Amino acid sequence: AQSVTQLGSHVSVSEGALVLLRCNYSSSVPPYLFWYVQYPNQGLQLLLKYTSAATLVKGINGFEAEFKKSETSFHLTKPSAHMSDAAEYFCAVSTSSASKIIFGSGTRLSIRP
Amino acid sequence: DTAVSQTPKYLVTQMGNDKSIKCEQNLGHDTMYWYKQDSKKFLKIMFSYNNKELIINETVPNRFSPKSPDKAHLNLHINSLELGDSAVYFCASSQDLATGKKNEQFFGPGTRLTVL
Repeated sequence: AQSVTQLGSHVSVSEGALVLLRCNYSSSVPPYLFWYVQYPNQGLQLLLKYTSAATLVKGINGFEAEFKKSETSFHLTKPSAHMSDAAEYFCAVSTSSASKIIFGSGTRLSIRP
Repeated sequence: DTAVSQTPKYLVTQMGNDKSIKCEQNLGHDTMYWYKQDSKKFLKIMFSYNNKELIINETVPNRFSPKSPDKAHLNLHINSLELGDSAVYFCASSQDLATGKKNEQFFGPGTRLTVL
């Protein structure tokens, strides 16, 4: 079975500062990993995904994530936060044999002016 | 041009009532999903259909019944609504189940259900 843990239900950073949202996964087979973003009153939108190719994955809006097998992590980063990045972010895991995607509990990102 | 649409966007109703939420996707995808997001933002899959066939049925009360008249539509009917059913319900679709596990699921805007 797969699971995903997001450390920190709420992260607050200043505009222009580094964004780091943490995600650790558990999977007995090679995982597929995702980051989704949910803006207020909207559905989820895919930011980026890892499906066993390059371990450093670049996504939309300047976000990227690095798959680290030794640390079972898939942390999301952005060098410089914008006010428009304020949203809920979800890490998710799946595998080739899984029937579904498992979502983490989400991290709310707030940006201070 | 909306890829995945849901109606209604908001639904307020009394306990014990029966209600339906409709979902349509114009992406030509084979697989559709229903998710429930509670007040703490926790997102949990409820059902998945592939080409009108039920393939995922999580531990959901029998009061919830999905219906897929064709592969572009997946509706959710809820009988005898309870207070605990209050949540945001999201519809999603993917190319097929295999790609939906490793590629993108496209989400609708959600339906906020409030049971009084």
